[in-house]
Parts: sequence; C-alpha cells; structure tokens
Amino acid sequence: QVTLRESGPALVKATQTLTLTCSLSGVSLSTSGMCVSWIRQPPGKALEWLARIDWDDDKYYSTSLKTRLTISKDTSKNQVVLTMTNMDPVDTATYYCAVMTTVINGWFDPWGQGTLVTVSS
Amino acid sequence: DIQMTQSPSSLSASVGDRVTITCQASQDISNYLNWYQLKPGKAPKLLIYDVSNLETGVPSRFSGSGSGTDFTFTINSLQREDIASYYCQQYNDLPYSFGQGTKLEIQ
Repeated sequence: QVTLRESGPALVKATQTLTLTCSLSGVSLSTSGMCVSWIRQPPGKALEWLARIDWDDDKYYSTSLKTRLTISKDTSKNQVVLTMTNMDPVDTATYYCAVMTTVINGWFDPWGQGTLVTVSS
Repeated sequence: DIQMTQSPSSLSASVGDRVTITCQASQDISNYLNWYQLKPGKAPKLLIYDVSNLETGVPSRFSGSGSGTDFTFTINSLQREDIASYYCQQYNDLPYSFGQGTKLEIQ
C-alpha cells in the first residue's frame, strides 16, 4: 500500500522560503515511471498543480510559479522536497503531494492528507 | 496552458437525486480527464480516470463521459456520504490543471 505524508512548518512569514517534505512508503522513488507532484489548495479555492519530479529526475513546474519553485528528491530517504521562495499571504494553502505511478497515466493516486501552511504578513 | 472551466461551483441536491457536473477544456484534451473527490481533513480521492474509468472500489453510482473539450461527471442516486467537493483535472499537457471545483451539499 502506497502512502504519502507531507511535513513542514505550519506558519511562515512573508518573504521567507518554505520547505516542504513528502515522505513515501510502499513504493520507491527510483521505480521506473514513478512521478510525484505537489498540489495546493488555498482556503475556499481550487486545487492548483505546482510541480512534478520523475524517477529519472526530470522536473516540471507551474508556469506562473516556476521562478519561485524548486522540486528535488532524496532517493535514499524516499522523500521529495519542494521549496517555494518569497512567500506571501496569498500562498496560504493546504499543500498536498501525490503520486502518478507511471508517467503515461496522468492521474494522482494516492495523495497525502496535506499540510496547512499559513503565511503571516 | 490549458484552462478547465467547471460548473456549477456549488450544488444542493436531495438524497436519491441525480447530480451532474460539467467540465470544459480550453482545447482538445482527448480523453485525458480525471475526477477527484475532496472531503475536509481527508486525502483527496481519485474517482474516475480517463473520462469514464472507475477507480477500484468506487461505487458504480459515479460515472463520467465526454471527449475532446466537454466532459460530464454524474452521481446517480446521491448518498449522504457524497457530500464533498469534486474537481476535474486534465493531463493532456503540462502544466496539469484543475477545474474550479464543485461543492456539493445535501438539501
């Protein structure tokens, strides 16, 4: 059974850099075809896809946020890390990580439970 | 980037009703369209992938249809446990994109 758990600070200040970690169990990040994405949902708003990293270290980013995002992985720890620079109160959201088990099948399954990040001004 | 227009944004219905949500893509996305269910405090759940394929364990009252730019998600015989928000998502092109969501309430 594949499970994901997001971790990181619940509160950050504006202009700071956010670092979130997604810890995977039940599957290896080095498995061919494995992809992990970060997705967020501001309170009362829609889901927004942020970034994806693949088993072969290919990386893809949201067009509007790509200058602020960096996604990376630590295969030895089976973790994916997302950093977002220059945080703003509008970045307050629940941040989820989710798996695509093959690069061809573009659906997210499963997801983590998410971690709420609040940005204070 | 592909824009996904989902409607309605909210919906109130009674137990046993048939509920329909639509999702329109800004360009042809073939059948690369998925649907998710979100409940507060829970991990989002994949319900349907590739327009009409039910994820394992998802009740058969959920269904999807469409192709190209216009898609429909249906719940036949609404149940109380279906209270949630629902989102469509395209993966025809990166960056992936979601619809604006539909919040479903029971009357």
